[in-house]
Amino acid sequence: GENVEQHPSTLSVQEGDSAVIKCTYSDSASNYFPWYKQELGKGPQLIIDIRSNVGEKKDQRIAVTLNKTAKHFSLHITETQPEDSAVYFCAASKSPGYALNFGKGTSLLVTP
Amino acid sequence: KAGVTQTPRYLIKTRGQQVTLSCSPISGHRSVSWYQQTPGQGLQFLFEYFSETQRNKGNFPGRFSGRQFSNSRSEMNVSTLELGDSALYLCASSPNPGQGAEAFFGQGTRLTVV
Repeated sequence: GENVEQHPSTLSVQEGDSAVIKCTYSDSASNYFPWYKQELGKGPQLIIDIRSNVGEKKDQRIAVTLNKTAKHFSLHITETQPEDSAVYFCAASKSPGYALNFGKGTSLLVTP
Repeated sequence: KAGVTQTPRYLIKTRGQQVTLSCSPISGHRSVSWYQQTPGQGLQFLFEYFSETQRNKGNFPGRFSGRQFSNSRSEMNVSTLELGDSALYLCASSPNPGQGAEAFFGQGTRLTVV
């Protein structure tokens, strides 16, 4: 089955700096790669996703890149703010709406 | 539009008991998936239902079961509870996996087994 690895497990940055989280996956059949943000006491919230026919996608301060050949994808957050502090999960599935295989998560701390 | 609603939010059960958790998807969504979240294992897929049929199942023992009703609401049941079943159980809904729409998660049910 699909195996998603995520690094780093913890990340601490100063406000205004950039943060990068990287994930690798194993199953070539995976075509959909979402990123979720989970705040304490809440369920995961989708922040951005990318499909296999796209190499990069950007939404304001957040961007995701995908290298299908190397089977890795990354989340980039620029100009970080304290409210970006949360746990971020990458995931992979064959298509949106299907079973998601999650990475173990990255705890991001943005200090003022 | 109301989000995914999970009830109850918190639950404490004793080893050996059984428990039923409920999930009401976003109106119009017909697919419901369940995940277990623990500090050690992270988020793991349990099962997925669409139109009252289980379409996919994760690698969990038979003590974990679920069902979906005609109104798309879903329940999951865990029998003979073990301490290791303590976790946050999350439900996600999507319109129809084939339509390419992403899944939205509820806030989860925190189950503690003592």
